[in-house]
Amino acid sequence: SQQGEEDPQALSIQEGENATMNCSYKTSINNLQWYRQNSGRGLVHLILIRSNEREKHSGRLRVTLDTSKKSSSLLITASRAADTASYFCATGETSGSRLTFGEGTQLTVNP
Amino acid sequence: KAGVTQTPRYLIKTRGQQVTLSCSPISGHRSVSWYQQTPGQGLQFLFEYFSETQRNKGNFPGRFSGRQFSNSRSEMNVSTLELGDSALYLCASGSQGREKLFFGSGTQLSVL
Repeated sequence: SQQGEEDPQALSIQEGENATMNCSYKTSINNLQWYRQNSGRGLVHLILIRSNEREKHSGRLRVTLDTSKKSSSLLITASRAADTASYFCATGETSGSRLTFGEGTQLTVNP
Repeated sequence: KAGVTQTPRYLIKTRGQQVTLSCSPISGHRSVSWYQQTPGQGLQFLFEYFSETQRNKGNFPGRFSGRQFSNSRSEMNVSTLELGDSALYLCASGSQGREKLFFGSGTQLSVL
């Protein structure tokens, strides 16, 4: 079963615009991660934020975590056509590699 | 370092058959986990192996099994295939902390 929900399910923007995706989860977590998946391929790890962190940056990515609301957001700034992919949040409840994934957001960046 | 390698890339089977999927983790990684991805259910955790021991198991029937060898390579087996087993099966390896996962490209299994 899915841990939570992502919203929106699909997002279409123009190159250069910012893209924001949201993720909600249900249980206590150790960390929250964001992954990217190109169609039919494996997932690529983007960023990990721990439960005691509120914000993290990596290049054009910014992730926030609000444990009181059990939610996270991923912001991609100055998007490019190559950012077109599905983006998934995943929560880790304990140490170890069991992750619970959200349903994903399909991002389309139009050139 | 080479990434996570999964073989085969595509597989077509018929109902009732069994299938074995293979995964070679990144060199030095001792944790291997498996996920099933379908359009209806999304990404679901199957199981995790660490140093040849199953550490965690998802909510899948006993038809789904796996093992890990001393070189950390892992295999996943599905017996008595059902149409609903059609999915992309993803293998991921993790380093010591096992939090950040590195995924292979997956095996696309079609059951006819």
